[in-house]
Amino acid sequence: QLQLQESGPGLVKPSETLSLTCTVSGGSISRSNYYWGWIRQPPGKGLEWIGNIYYSGSTYYNPSLKSRVTISVDTSKNQFSLKLSSVTAADTAVYYCARDFGGYSRYFAYWGQGTLVTVSS
Amino acid sequence: EIVLTQSPATLSLSPGERATLSCRANQSVSNYLAWYQQKPGQAPRLLIYHASNRATGIPARFSGSGSGTDFTLTITSLEPEDFAVYYCQQRTNWPPSITFGQGTRLEIK
Repeated sequence: QLQLQESGPGLVKPSETLSLTCTVSGGSISRSNYYWGWIRQPPGKGLEWIGNIYYSGSTYYNPSLKSRVTISVDTSKNQFSLKLSSVTAADTAVYYCARDFGGYSRYFAYWGQGTLVTVSS
Repeated sequence: EIVLTQSPATLSLSPGERATLSCRANQSVSNYLAWYQQKPGQAPRLLIYHASNRATGIPARFSGSGSGTDFTLTITSLEPEDFAVYYCQQRTNWPPSITFGQGTRLEIK
């Protein structure tokens, strides 16, 4: 059974860079046909797509966040990562990593449990 | 940018009743639409993909319909565990993008 687990600091200072890692178990991140993604959810609010990455390293980002986001993959560690620069309080959210359904569907069938990141000094 | 608008924002029903949730796009998304269920403290769960296909393990009381700009999630005979927040999500091929609706809260009446 595929499992995803987010990890990283729970508290980030304003203007700094948020860094999270998603560790994948029960399946290889190098398999073709799948997109891996990051989605966030501010407390009490809805879901916002951040971006996707393919195992080859191709990335697609939410236009509203594109200037601040970098998603990368480390196939040797079976992990992919998120970096979000110049954070503000508006970036406080639960951050989820996810994998799509397959067939380049970009419907997220597998999710991590989520990790809360608070931006505060 | 494709915007998805879900209605109603909150739906109050009793167990055993039928729920009808709507998702409208500001431009056609063909059938590239999914529905998710999210319970408090949990990650979303994929229910429906390609507008009308149930994901693995999803009960038959959940069904999706629609194409183009108007989509519906129907839950026949609500079970106690169905009360949650539901989101629709679309994906475009080019530019590759994903957006979610703002959600519909299904609450017990």
